[in-house]
Amino acid sequence: EIVLTQSPATLSVSPGERATLSCRASQSVDSYLAWYQQKPGQAPRLLIYDASNRATGIPARFSGSGSGTDFTLTISSLEPEDFAVYYCQHRSNWPYTFGQGTKLEIK
Amino acid sequence: QLHLQESGPGLVKPSETLSLTCTVSGDSISSSSFYWGWIRQPPGKGLEWIGSISYSGSTYYNPSVKSRVTISIDMSKNQFSLKLNSVTAADTAVYYCARPMVRGIIAPFDYWGQGTLVTVSS
Repeated sequence: EIVLTQSPATLSVSPGERATLSCRASQSVDSYLAWYQQKPGQAPRLLIYDASNRATGIPARFSGSGSGTDFTLTISSLEPEDFAVYYCQHRSNWPYTFGQGTKLEIK
Repeated sequence: QLHLQESGPGLVKPSETLSLTCTVSGDSISSSSFYWGWIRQPPGKGLEWIGSISYSGSTYYNPSVKSRVTISIDMSKNQFSLKLNSVTAADTAVYYCARPMVRGIIAPFDYWGQGTLVTVSS
């Protein structure tokens, strides 16, 4: 089973600033990595698929990069609605695991 | 517009079977060629993919629950279901049904139900 490790566990950033979240895989997942955003009481929302492709309707301030074992989600200029928990998930091989999440909080 | 809705008991006794149904509207399970999945999230914790089923009935389960789980499809009702037997308190979670973004792949998921909390307690 591939383990996805997200860092940091909590990230404190001010609105308008850039946020950089990391996801590291225990073995290569090629580019088969997705990012989700989850707000309290809501289902996750797909942001990025296959490492760098924005899902439908996702603002351009969200971008993803990486391949192999190291991936990054960047939010270029934080809006108030971006403060949430972010998860990565791979689809390289069975089972398709999630990272433990990064909580993005207002500084 | 695709809509998924979970339903089922919110309280299950230890050692019994958890049964949930996901009703799909806005798309036909039988003709859409999509996979359909279940994901769960214990309170205050992260996400765990439980398993998925194809439109043709092929199933894929997480090894962590494989011995206890069954996912099935009822095309006549446009629903798919989750059964998890021999539950313990560790199975207490919000359970989501979800659909991937494109046909023919199991993940990632871009349509989700609202989730339903299932508590395992006597």
